[in-house]
Amino acid sequence: DAKTTQPPSMDCAEGRAANLPCNHSTISGNEYVYWYRQIHSQGPQYIIHGLKNNETNEMASLIITEDRKSSTLILPHATLRDTAVYYCIVRVPGGGADGLTFGKGTHLIIQP
Amino acid sequence: DAGVIQSPRHEVTEMGQEVTLRCKLISGHNSLFWYRQTMMRGLELLIYFNNNVPIDDSGMPEDRFSAKMPNASFSTLKIQPSEPRDSAVYFCASSLDPGPYNEQFFGPGTRLTVL
Repeated sequence: DAKTTQPPSMDCAEGRAANLPCNHSTISGNEYVYWYRQIHSQGPQYIIHGLKNNETNEMASLIITEDRKSSTLILPHATLRDTAVYYCIVRVPGGGADGLTFGKGTHLIIQP
Repeated sequence: DAGVIQSPRHEVTEMGQEVTLRCKLISGHNSLFWYRQTMMRGLELLIYFNNNVPIDDSGMPEDRFSAKMPNASFSTLKIQPSEPRDSAVYFCASSLDPGPYNEQFFGPGTRLTVL
């Protein structure tokens, strides 16, 4: 899996949009960008993934640059419950050794 | 569905004792992953099964660790003998492979303390 770079921590005011960046300059053509988060004392939770088009679901939006070397996870209206460590992972889904390689992630703190 | 179920949630044992962690996959899933999380090393993949067959065990720290899938819905991770450095939170996760997203669903974890 290609490596990713994320800021170690970020703050965001409650109710505002939280924008979490991720650099993945060595991503391969068949690798997807996945985002997971881990709320304190819980297991990681899948958020969203994408290949090259922007994606949106009920939790978040994912914006991938045209050259695919970076992406941004957007939580449109952050709440206190969104305080967590967010992991950006690039991988080829399915087949072979399909475990996730977690980096250090970004600790997002939502301020009241 | 109840999600991935792990037991026990907390385990405290003494060095040298055998420890067995248990995991029940989400119904219909066919891939099972064991991870370990510590402050120093973060989240690490230990072993991965697909259709009950171990695919990659390169993350298993040493021979003291072993994992099995006695059936399609259940897995165990055994540490024998346990050591203080094995203290960590152990997560299992399951997924459907191939599937639309190959997302992994994680259990709540087992917090292991070896004294």
